[in-house]
Amino acid sequence: DVKVTQSSRYLVKRTGEKVFLECVQDMDHENMFWYRQDPGLGLRLIYFSYDVKMKEKGDIPEGYSVSREKKERFSLILESASTNQTSMYLCASSFRWRPNSPLHFGNGTRLTVT
Amino acid sequence: AQSVAQPEDQVNVAEGNPLTVKCTYSVSGNPYLFWYVQYPNRGLQFLLKYITGDNLVKGSYGFEAEFNKSQTSFHLKKPSALVSDSALYFCVNQAGTALIFGKGTTLSVSS
Repeated sequence: DVKVTQSSRYLVKRTGEKVFLECVQDMDHENMFWYRQDPGLGLRLIYFSYDVKMKEKGDIPEGYSVSREKKERFSLILESASTNQTSMYLCASSFRWRPNSPLHFGNGTRLTVT
Repeated sequence: AQSVAQPEDQVNVAEGNPLTVKCTYSVSGNPYLFWYVQYPNRGLQFLLKYITGDNLVKGSYGFEAEFNKSQTSFHLKKPSALVSDSALYFCVNQAGTALIFGKGTTLSVSS
């Protein structure tokens, strides 16, 4: 069974801190995604990656960066956290060469920036 | 513009009654439609998908969905709701890495 693991379930950070959210998958998926989920706004794509060291901006990349040094790990970085980045962050992965295969999601990281 | 719409923010049904969660789409080319479910404090889980073939698709936990090209709809259904079906449901058009999410519908099943 595919497992997508997000390192923290809950995180509280202060404004201006640099924040790292980690995601690891164990199914050799090429694609990895970072979404944020907010009430009334649904899921919005921040960044995705289709291979090691490759990254593509999603719909709301401002204030975020990502790192994919290894196939199984995709990190989301908040360079200087702000209160409007308080949200639920979801990582997902899928096969690149099976475009209609489902996404597999982690359980999410609920980040609060104070 | 391409879009996936879930017209109801919330659906309430009594346990044992049939349930429907609605989804309509507007996409260029062939739609690839998925339903995902999110239980509280969890990530999304895949329920079922329509790519091609039979318009009636069966999925996990007794759910099914009917693809209707003329009405551009892909409604999620279950003949008999369970309290444990209470969750947030997302309809998604998924073509490779291009995903269009609906806003989600909260299903509440009362005992």
